Amino acid sequence: GAVVSQHPSRVICKSGTSVKIECRSLDFQATTMFWYRQFPKQSLMLMATSNEGSKATYEQGVEKDKFLINHASLTLSTLTVTSAHPEDSSFYICSARDWGAYNSPLHFGNGTRLTVT
Amino acid sequence: RKEVEQDPGPFNVPEGATVAFNCTYSNSASQSFFWYRQDCRKEPKLLMSVYSSGNEDGRFTAQLNRASQYISLLIRDSKLSDSATYLCVVNKGSSASKIIFGSGTRLSIRP
Repeated sequence: GAVVSQHPSRVICKSGTSVKIECRSLDFQATTMFWYRQFPKQSLMLMATSNEGSKATYEQGVEKDKFLINHASLTLSTLTVTSAHPEDSSFYICSARDWGAYNSPLHFGNGTRLTVT
Repeated sequence: RKEVEQDPGPFNVPEGATVAFNCTYSNSASQSFFWYRQDCRKEPKLLMSVYSSGNEDGRFTAQLNRASQYISLLIRDSKLSDSATYLCVVNKGSSASKIIFGSGTRLSIRP
Protein backbone atom coordinates (compact mmCIF):
# COMPACT_ATOMS: atom_id res chain seq x y z
CA GLY A 1 0.00 0.00 0.00
CA ALA A 2 0.87 3.67 -0.20
CA VAL A 3 3.60 4.68 2.19
CA VAL A 4 4.70 8.07 3.38
CA SER A 5 8.10 8.47 4.97
CA GLN A 6 8.94 11.35 7.28
CA HIS A 7 12.36 12.27 8.59
CA PRO A 8 13.65 12.88 11.19
CA SER A 9 11.40 11.21 13.70
CA ARG A 10 12.79 13.20 16.57
CA VAL A 11 14.85 16.35 16.80
CA ILE A 12 16.07 18.49 19.65
CA CYS A 13 17.39 21.91 18.78
CA LYS A 14 18.35 25.13 20.45
CA SER A 15 16.19 28.19 20.36
CA GLY A 16 16.87 30.32 17.31
CA THR A 17 17.99 27.52 15.02
CA SER A 18 16.08 26.17 12.03
CA VAL A 19 14.89 22.64 11.56
CA LYS A 20 13.97 20.94 8.29
CA ILE A 21 11.52 18.06 8.15
CA GLU A 22 11.18 15.92 5.04
CA CYS A 23 8.11 14.09 3.85
CA ARG A 24 8.32 11.59 1.00
CA SER A 25 5.72 9.56 -0.78
CA LEU A 26 7.45 6.26 -1.50
CA ASP A 27 5.30 4.48 -4.05
CA PHE A 28 3.01 7.13 -5.47
CA GLN A 29 3.14 10.65 -6.74
CA ALA A 30 1.72 13.28 -4.45
CA THR A 31 1.00 16.62 -6.05
CA THR A 32 -0.46 17.69 -2.74
CA MET A 33 0.78 16.98 0.75
CA PHE A 34 -0.50 18.23 4.06
CA TRP A 35 1.36 19.35 7.15
CA TYR A 36 -0.18 19.05 10.59
CA ARG A 37 0.85 19.94 14.08
CA GLN A 38 -0.39 18.27 17.21
CA PHE A 39 0.14 19.44 20.77
CA PRO A 40 -0.18 16.98 23.66
CA LYS A 41 -3.73 15.75 24.22
CA GLN A 42 -5.04 17.92 21.39
CA SER A 43 -6.31 17.05 17.97
CA LEU A 44 -4.41 17.36 14.72
CA MET A 45 -4.33 20.88 13.35
CA LEU A 46 -3.77 21.45 9.67
CA MET A 47 -0.99 23.96 9.18
CA ALA A 48 -0.66 24.11 5.43
CA THR A 49 -1.24 22.39 2.15
CA SER A 50 1.86 21.85 0.10
CA ASN A 51 1.44 21.99 -3.67
CA GLU A 52 4.05 20.65 -6.05
CA GLY A 53 5.52 23.42 -8.16
CA SER A 54 3.60 26.23 -6.53
CA LYS A 55 3.25 28.06 -3.25
CA ALA A 56 1.86 26.38 -0.22
CA THR A 57 -1.52 27.34 1.15
CA TYR A 58 -1.39 28.20 4.83
CA GLU A 59 -4.18 27.94 7.34
CA GLN A 60 -5.27 31.02 9.22
CA GLY A 61 -2.91 31.88 12.01
CA VAL A 62 0.06 29.94 10.62
CA GLU A 63 3.01 32.18 9.77
CA LYS A 64 4.27 31.36 6.31
CA ASP A 65 7.64 33.03 6.95
CA LYS A 66 8.20 30.91 10.01
CA PHE A 67 7.07 27.60 8.55
CA LEU A 68 8.63 27.41 5.12
CA ILE A 69 7.27 24.76 2.82
CA ASN A 70 8.90 23.57 -0.34
CA HIS A 71 7.37 20.94 -2.62
CA ALA A 72 9.94 20.70 -5.35
CA SER A 73 9.07 17.26 -6.68
CA LEU A 74 6.10 14.94 -6.90
CA THR A 75 7.41 12.84 -4.04
CA LEU A 76 9.01 15.28 -1.64
CA SER A 77 7.77 18.12 0.52
CA THR A 78 9.81 19.83 3.21
CA LEU A 79 8.79 21.91 6.18
CA THR A 80 11.39 24.19 7.71
CA VAL A 81 10.72 25.66 11.11
CA THR A 82 12.79 28.83 11.10
CA SER A 83 14.17 30.47 14.21
CA ALA A 84 12.54 27.87 16.38
CA HIS A 85 11.34 28.76 19.86
CA PRO A 86 10.23 26.55 22.73
CA GLU A 87 6.58 27.18 21.89
CA ASP A 88 7.22 25.51 18.52
CA SER A 89 7.89 22.25 20.31
CA SER A 90 5.25 19.89 19.02
CA PHE A 91 4.54 16.78 16.99
CA TYR A 92 4.63 17.58 13.27
CA ILE A 93 3.02 15.12 10.88
CA CYS A 94 2.82 15.11 7.11
CA SER A 95 0.32 13.27 5.00
CA ALA A 96 -0.33 12.61 1.37
CA ARG A 97 -2.92 10.99 -0.77
CA ASP A 98 -2.62 9.07 -3.99
CA TRP A 99 -4.89 11.27 -6.09
CA GLY A 100 -4.63 8.79 -8.91
CA ALA A 101 -6.53 6.22 -6.88
CA TYR A 102 -10.26 6.79 -6.48
CA ASN A 103 -11.29 7.67 -2.95
CA SER A 104 -7.89 6.77 -1.61
CA PRO A 105 -7.33 7.69 2.03
CA LEU A 106 -4.68 9.94 3.50
CA HIS A 107 -1.47 8.23 4.48
CA PHE A 108 0.62 9.71 7.23
CA GLY A 109 4.29 9.94 7.87
CA ASN A 110 5.37 8.69 11.26
CA GLY A 111 5.71 12.21 12.56
CA THR A 112 8.53 14.37 13.86
CA ARG A 113 8.71 15.22 17.51
CA LEU A 114 10.40 18.60 17.79
CA THR A 115 11.77 19.83 21.08
CA VAL A 116 13.20 23.32 21.20
CA THR A 117 15.32 24.07 24.24
CA ARG B 1 -20.66 24.51 14.30
CA LYS B 2 -17.60 22.40 13.53
CA GLU B 3 -17.43 20.83 10.10
CA VAL B 4 -16.81 17.41 11.61
CA GLU B 5 -17.92 16.67 15.15
CA GLN B 6 -17.17 13.76 17.40
CA ASP B 7 -17.90 12.98 21.01
CA PRO B 8 -14.47 13.39 22.62
CA GLY B 9 -15.15 10.74 25.23
CA PRO B 10 -13.38 9.21 26.96
CA PHE B 11 -15.23 5.97 26.60
CA ASN B 12 -14.12 3.54 29.26
CA VAL B 13 -15.48 0.05 28.65
CA PRO B 14 -14.59 -3.46 29.82
CA GLU B 15 -12.80 -5.89 27.59
CA GLY B 16 -15.23 -7.80 25.44
CA ALA B 17 -17.81 -5.03 25.32
CA THR B 18 -19.29 -3.55 22.20
CA VAL B 19 -18.76 0.16 21.72
CA ALA B 20 -20.02 2.57 19.08
CA PHE B 21 -18.95 6.04 18.03
CA ASN B 22 -20.74 8.52 15.86
CA CYS B 23 -19.39 11.39 13.85
CA THR B 24 -21.46 14.10 12.18
CA TYR B 25 -20.43 16.25 9.26
CA SER B 26 -21.89 19.50 8.00
CA ASN B 27 -21.15 19.48 4.28
CA SER B 28 -23.76 17.43 2.47
CA ALA B 29 -21.54 17.21 -0.61
CA SER B 30 -18.83 15.31 1.27
CA GLN B 31 -17.70 12.32 -0.71
CA SER B 32 -15.17 10.25 1.18
CA PHE B 33 -15.23 9.07 4.75
CA PHE B 34 -12.67 7.26 6.84
CA TRP B 35 -11.96 6.14 10.36
CA TYR B 36 -8.41 6.42 11.66
CA ARG B 37 -6.96 5.39 14.97
CA GLN B 38 -4.20 7.25 16.70
CA ASP B 39 -2.17 5.82 19.52
CA CYS B 40 -0.54 8.09 22.04
CA ARG B 41 2.43 9.96 20.56
CA LYS B 42 2.03 8.24 17.19
CA GLU B 43 0.74 9.23 13.80
CA PRO B 44 -2.85 8.42 12.77
CA LYS B 45 -3.28 5.15 10.93
CA LEU B 46 -6.10 4.23 8.64
CA LEU B 47 -8.54 1.86 10.29
CA MET B 48 -11.08 1.63 7.52
CA SER B 49 -12.80 3.51 4.76
CA VAL B 50 -16.54 3.98 5.05
CA TYR B 51 -18.64 2.98 2.08
CA SER B 52 -22.21 3.97 1.32
CA SER B 53 -23.49 0.45 1.84
CA GLY B 54 -21.64 0.05 5.10
CA ASN B 55 -18.66 -2.24 5.51
CA GLU B 56 -17.17 -4.62 7.99
CA ASP B 57 -13.62 -5.62 8.76
CA GLY B 58 -13.41 -8.27 11.42
CA ARG B 59 -14.69 -6.81 14.67
CA PHE B 60 -15.13 -3.36 13.14
CA THR B 61 -18.21 -2.15 11.29
CA ALA B 62 -18.54 1.25 9.66
CA GLN B 63 -21.79 2.80 8.52
CA LEU B 64 -22.66 5.92 6.57
CA ASN B 65 -25.97 7.74 6.84
CA ARG B 66 -26.04 10.45 4.19
CA ALA B 67 -29.55 11.62 5.04
CA SER B 68 -28.55 12.44 8.60
CA GLN B 69 -24.96 13.22 7.67
CA TYR B 70 -23.18 10.96 10.08
CA ILE B 71 -20.88 8.00 10.07
CA SER B 72 -20.49 5.44 12.77
CA LEU B 73 -17.94 2.92 13.95
CA LEU B 74 -18.89 -0.18 15.89
CA ILE B 75 -16.29 -2.28 17.67
CA ARG B 76 -17.37 -5.70 18.84
CA ASP B 77 -15.62 -7.90 21.40
CA SER B 78 -13.27 -5.07 22.28
CA LYS B 79 -9.66 -5.86 23.13
CA LEU B 80 -7.20 -4.04 25.34
CA SER B 81 -5.27 -3.17 22.18
CA ASP B 82 -8.27 -1.22 20.87
CA SER B 83 -7.50 1.55 23.37
CA ALA B 84 -6.71 4.58 21.24
CA THR B 85 -8.19 7.76 19.89
CA TYR B 86 -10.47 7.24 16.92
CA LEU B 87 -10.58 9.98 14.33
CA CYS B 88 -13.39 10.57 11.91
CA VAL B 89 -12.14 11.95 8.59
CA VAL B 90 -14.32 13.55 5.93
CA ASN B 91 -13.41 14.69 2.45
CA LYS B 92 -14.89 18.18 2.39
CA GLY B 93 -17.06 18.94 -0.59
CA SER B 94 -16.65 17.52 -4.04
CA SER B 95 -13.07 18.74 -4.22
CA ALA B 96 -10.42 16.40 -2.94
CA SER B 97 -8.19 19.27 -1.90
CA LYS B 98 -9.21 19.42 1.73
CA ILE B 99 -9.75 16.66 4.19
CA ILE B 100 -11.24 17.46 7.58
CA PHE B 101 -10.49 15.61 10.79
CA GLY B 102 -12.75 15.29 13.74
CA SER B 103 -11.13 15.99 17.07
CA GLY B 104 -11.20 12.31 17.95
CA THR B 105 -12.92 10.03 20.44
CA ARG B 106 -10.78 8.51 23.15
CA LEU B 107 -11.44 4.89 23.93
CA SER B 108 -10.01 3.06 26.90
CA ILE B 109 -10.57 -0.67 27.31
CA ARG B 110 -10.16 -1.98 30.84
CA PRO B 111 -9.35 -5.60 31.75
